This record gives sequence, C-alpha cells and structure tokens, in this order.
Amino acid sequence: AQRVTQPEKLLSVFKGAPVELKCNYSYSGSPELFWYVQYSRQRLQLLLRHISRESIKGFTADLNKGETSFHLKKPFAQEEDSAMYYCALQGNTGKLIFGQGTTLQVKP
Amino acid sequence: EAGVTQSPTHLIKTRGQQATLRCSPISGHTSVYWYQQALGLGLQFLLWYDEGEERNRGNFPPRFSGRQFPNYSSELNVNALELEDSALYLCASSLEDSFSPLHFGNGTRLTVT
Repeated sequence: AQRVTQPEKLLSVFKGAPVELKCNYSYSGSPELFWYVQYSRQRLQLLLRHISRESIKGFTADLNKGETSFHLKKPFAQEEDSAMYYCALQGNTGKLIFGQGTTLQVKP
Repeated sequence: EAGVTQSPTHLIKTRGQQATLRCSPISGHTSVYWYQQALGLGLQFLLWYDEGEERNRGNFPPRFSGRQFPNYSSELNVNALELEDSALYLCASSLEDSFSPLHFGNGTRLTVT
C-alpha cells in the first residue's frame, strides 16, 4: 500500500537556521516523490519533485531508497518560507497520495 | 493561463441532501483529481479522471461519485450527506503524461448541518 508519513505537524525555526522537513514513504515499487507547498491564502502548488533533481527557492530534497525517505532541506530559512508543506508519492497507478502536512513557522 | 477553477466557493447543505461540486481544469489538461481536506486529516485522495474515465478512487463509500465531461471539466457528487462530509474539497488537473505535477484550485468548502 502507498503511504506517506510526515511525523511533525509543526516545525518552528528562527530566520537563518537550517530547516529539514521529514518525509517517509511506504511503497513496494519505484515511486515518484514530490513536495507541495501552500502559502497563506494561496492555493496548493508544486515546490519540487524528485525526477527533476532541482533546487527551488533554496530547497532541495534527496530520495533515500534505503531509508524510504524524501526529506526537504534548506540551509538558511527565510520568513517567507513559512507555509504548510506536503510530501506526496505517486506510484505506477497514477494515484498521488499526500502526507498529513507540516506547518513550517520561521520566526524573525 | 487561467488556473483550475472550482464552484461554488462555499456550499451549505443539510444531512441527507446531495451536493454537486464542479471543476474546470487548466486548458490542455486531461486529468482531473479530487481530494477531501477535512480538519486534521490532511489531503485524502478521492477520485482521478482522465479522458472521461475514472482511473482510480480512494477509500470512500460509493455515495461519493463523479464524472468527467468531454471538455475535461468534472463534477463531484456526494449523496446522502453526513456531518463528517464537511470539508474542503480540492480539485486538481494535470497533463496526461506520467508524473506531471498537479495544479490545484482554491477548493469548495462544503458544510453539512
């Protein structure tokens, strides 16, 4: 079965501190993994995806198949990074499954 | 480009009634997804339509159903509404090819009293 776990409901850091939002998944095949973000009063949108190997707004995420993790990282958090972050997994059925989400709060 | 549009923005119904929610995808997108976002439960996958056909559905009872029209717009119908159906219902669209990112609408807030 497909499952995505984000263990932290809330992560609070100070501006300039490193950020790591945790995501673990359960899937028997080779999944595609995504991070979506929802800023205040905006719609949910794609932040980055594993297949693109890209860095967006300073965020990166590395797929660790051994640990079945896809943690989102940023070396220096900014106040504008405050948002709700969702990790998502898409398997070969095409269904996209989301984790419960983590609220990132960056304090000045 | 116009984004995914959903209507109505808010919908208030009483228990036992039926609700119909509508979604217009981004032009060129053939896949439409429906998610339920209930308080404290995150985004729960409901339905996926592509090229007019239901491709997959989540663990929801049959009273949750929908369809996709030839112009790729979609409807979500919820019959015999229950109080716990109160939630934000999000629609998303994507290109048909595998692993295309989803583009979300602003949602319909359904309240069942």
